[in-house]
Amino acid sequence: GAVVSQHPSWVICKSGTSVKIECRSLDFQATTMFWYRQFPKQSLMLMATSNEGSKATYEQGVEKDKFLINHASLTLSTLTVTSAHPEDSSFYICSARPIVASGSRVFGTDTQYFGPGTRLTVL
Amino acid sequence: KNEVEQSPQNLTAQEGEFITINCSYSVGISALHWLQQHPGGGIVSLFMLSSGKKKHGRLIATINIQEKHSSLHITASHPRDSAVYICAVGFFSRLTFGEGTQLTVNP
Repeated sequence: GAVVSQHPSWVICKSGTSVKIECRSLDFQATTMFWYRQFPKQSLMLMATSNEGSKATYEQGVEKDKFLINHASLTLSTLTVTSAHPEDSSFYICSARPIVASGSRVFGTDTQYFGPGTRLTVL
Repeated sequence: KNEVEQSPQNLTAQEGEFITINCSYSVGISALHWLQQHPGGGIVSLFMLSSGKKKHGRLIATINIQEKHSSLHITASHPRDSAVYICAVGFFSRLTFGEGTQLTVNP
């Protein structure tokens, strides 16, 4: 089945440092990857939508200069939390939307496969 | 009012019981997802549906588009089913999530 990996699975860093989180689709290509954040006892919140080869689209209230997203290939997207602060401590989850090819046509789908998440703790 | 509302928020059951979790939404959607999140945090996609009913093992998901309502049923519940179940509605992949239902199944 479709697998999405995230690395690292957890990270602890000092305030002011930058942290990079990788999201990879292991056995399929993804037109789009999504980044979510989840605070304790709360549901997931979409942070940004990442399309391969183009700039990410950020949700309202998410600082694009603080959460840098790079989607360099159809199987890899990265989220960099710059100058991290304790309030950035959270669980970050990515998901990937697979490409579906039919003959010469390529489609996106409503399907999303989720990564296992990365727990970030900023001291 | 949230765009996606789940009920109940918390549910405790005895092993073997039939469980129902409900999801109502107020926006137009192209698909509805049911997700499972275990204590470690990882999310598993259980179902994606846009109409009718789907079944996988002991899990059944139904959706009524006209009423904007979906249900997730678990038959013969087991302690390993204990998790948070999340309903998410999507409009061409952009998902909005419910608050989740914490299910605890006691042996």
